[in-house]
Amino acid sequence: KQEVTQIPAALSVPEGENLVLNCSFTDSAIYNLQWFRQDPGKGLTSLLLIQSSQREQTSGRLNASLDKSSGRSTLYIAASQPGDSATYLCAVSLGSGANNLFFGTGTRLTVIP
Amino acid sequence: NAGVMQNPRHLVRRRGQEARLRCSPMKGHSHVYWYRQLPEEGLKFMVYLQKENIIDESGMPKERFSAEFPKEGPSILRIQQVVRGDSAAYFCASSPGLASETQYFGPGTRLLVL
Repeated sequence: KQEVTQIPAALSVPEGENLVLNCSFTDSAIYNLQWFRQDPGKGLTSLLLIQSSQREQTSGRLNASLDKSSGRSTLYIAASQPGDSATYLCAVSLGSGANNLFFGTGTRLTVIP
Repeated sequence: NAGVMQNPRHLVRRRGQEARLRCSPMKGHSHVYWYRQLPEEGLKFMVYLQKENIIDESGMPKERFSAEFPKEGPSILRIQQVVRGDSAAYFCASSPGLASETQYFGPGTRLLVL
């Protein structure tokens, strides 16, 4: 059974700092991995999607890496801003025929002005 | 191009009542997924539907819960005889089809059972 873990559960950093969020999964036979952002009381916004054949994806100040064999992914946020404060979720998909996502419990990020 | 729409955004029910949650996928999307987020927990998959078909309901409780995605109209998640443990945020996501892996999420319906 696929289990997804995110560490740390919460993180506070001063504005401008670079930071790394971690995600690990137990079954390396994944189809893809996504990072989402969830604001309080809101839905999920997809940030980056990495296919299993890829090693990383970049979007602006965000960079996500994937090491499928070791079951790990990281989300790197450069030059953090208060507007980055949110809960960050990673989720894996097991295959094109089984599109449901397995989510981690998230990392709650607070960027202090 | 409107995103995934869910209504109501907030729903309060007393124990034993029925809850009906609606999800309108993005235009052109024929695949719908329902997830539940219990307080302080991650999102858990419940059910995956295509138009008029349930593809995977492995995450759905066997009793009291049902889902449908009719040919016309929104997808409905129905919870009969709600209990306090059903209080959660229920999220719907949609995708165009198997060729596209990205799921687009709605804002969720927050169900509170008194």
